[in-house]
Amino acid sequence: AQSVAQPEDQVNVAEGNPLTVKCTYSVSGNPYLFWYVQYPNRGLQFLLKYITGDNLVKGSYGFEAEFNKSQTSFHLKKPSALVSDSALYFCAVRDTGPRGSARQLTFGSGTQLTVLP
Amino acid sequence: DGGITQSPKYLFRKEGQNVTLSCEQNLNHDAMYWYRQDPGQGLRLIYYSQIVNDFQKGDIAEGYSVSREKKESFPLTVTSAQKNPTAFYLCASSTTSGGYTYEQYFGPGTRLTVT
Repeated sequence: AQSVAQPEDQVNVAEGNPLTVKCTYSVSGNPYLFWYVQYPNRGLQFLLKYITGDNLVKGSYGFEAEFNKSQTSFHLKKPSALVSDSALYFCAVRDTGPRGSARQLTFGSGTQLTVLP
Repeated sequence: DGGITQSPKYLFRKEGQNVTLSCEQNLNHDAMYWYRQDPGQGLRLIYYSQIVNDFQKGDIAEGYSVSREKKESFPLTVTSAQKNPTAFYLCASSTTSGGYTYEQYFGPGTRLTVT
């Protein structure tokens, strides 16, 4: 079974400071990892993904994430936070699976990020 | 929210009534999914479909039913058998380009309230 842990329900950071939202995972074989963001009463927006290759992945809106296989982590980072980054962030994992299969994504419980002006 | 539409945005029903949530996509994606979101619990998979006329149960399928008669459409029916149907429902789709399925794209969601 695959699982995702987001150990912090809430992260507060001052505008202009760096931010980190933590994620650890468990999956059989090589993982596919994703970050999504959700604004109130909206659907999830895709931010970035790790499939293979470089451990540092760059995504939308200046976000990046670092894949660490030994620590089974995929933390989301941004060098300088904006007030508009305040939202709910979800980490998700899936296994590689057979070619062409619609594999199930497992989501973490979410981390509410608040950027203070 | 891309090319995925869900309607209505808010839905109110009386207990004991079945209700159908609409999901349509114009992304030409093969796979479609339904999730339920409850506060503090993340997203849980209800059903998913890889191709037309085929679908699979997710983790919490009891009390729900789906159909996939067209590639673009994947409606979800919340039946009276679902014990706690009040939730935010999200539809998603993904491509199988190159033989692999990667990220899912989500619709704006439907908030269902049953009283």
